[in-house]
Amino acid sequence: QKEVEQNSGPLSVPEGAIASLNCTYSDRGSQSFFWYRQYSGKSPELIMFIYSNGDKEDGRFTAQLNKASQYVSLLIRDSQPSDSATYLCAVNDYGGSQGNLIFGKGTKLSVKP
Amino acid sequence: DAGITQSPRHKVTETGTPVTLRCHQTENHRYMYWYRQDPGHGLRLIHYSYGVKDTDKGEVSDGYSVSRSKTEDFLLTLESATSSQTSVYFCAISASQGEAPLHFGNGTRLTVT
Repeated sequence: QKEVEQNSGPLSVPEGAIASLNCTYSDRGSQSFFWYRQYSGKSPELIMFIYSNGDKEDGRFTAQLNKASQYVSLLIRDSQPSDSATYLCAVNDYGGSQGNLIFGKGTKLSVKP
Repeated sequence: DAGITQSPRHKVTETGTPVTLRCHQTENHRYMYWYRQDPGHGLRLIHYSYGVKDTDKGEVSDGYSVSRSKTEDFLLTLESATSSQTSVYFCAISASQGEAPLHFGNGTRLTVT
């Protein structure tokens, strides 16, 4: 069974700090990686996706991918209380389940004013 | 926001009754998915569709069936609801399988008493 692992948290950071969220995956063939944010009682919303090794930046968010070590991370700079949510990592199941996405259980982030 | 509508948004039903959840999209995406989300389990794929009348099972398909008679509509049916099917159900759509991100509907909260 392919797995996507995330620390459940809660991860607590002060306002203005950098929040670092990590995700490891078991399928070495995975090629597509996604980060979703989910507020309590709401549906997941896409923040970023990354396909290549290295960093991808979008505003205050940076996704980092290291395929050799099989981890992907999300950095949130200048964290705001509105960033408090659960962050889901998703990875495509290459070679199995027709490539559908496998989700981690999420990391709960709390940004304290 | 991706045009995805789930109905109903909330439903309470009794054990043993049939239940149908509907997902309607206006994006003309080929791929549609049904996930359930439960505490401690994260998002788990129930069934997905890769075209009209083309469907396949996901990780937790037992007790569920699906149908897709039109590109825009994907139905999830619980033939005989059980308490273990109490969950939040999300429909998602994607332009491609495993490569493009999923976009989620607002979810249906189902309670089976």
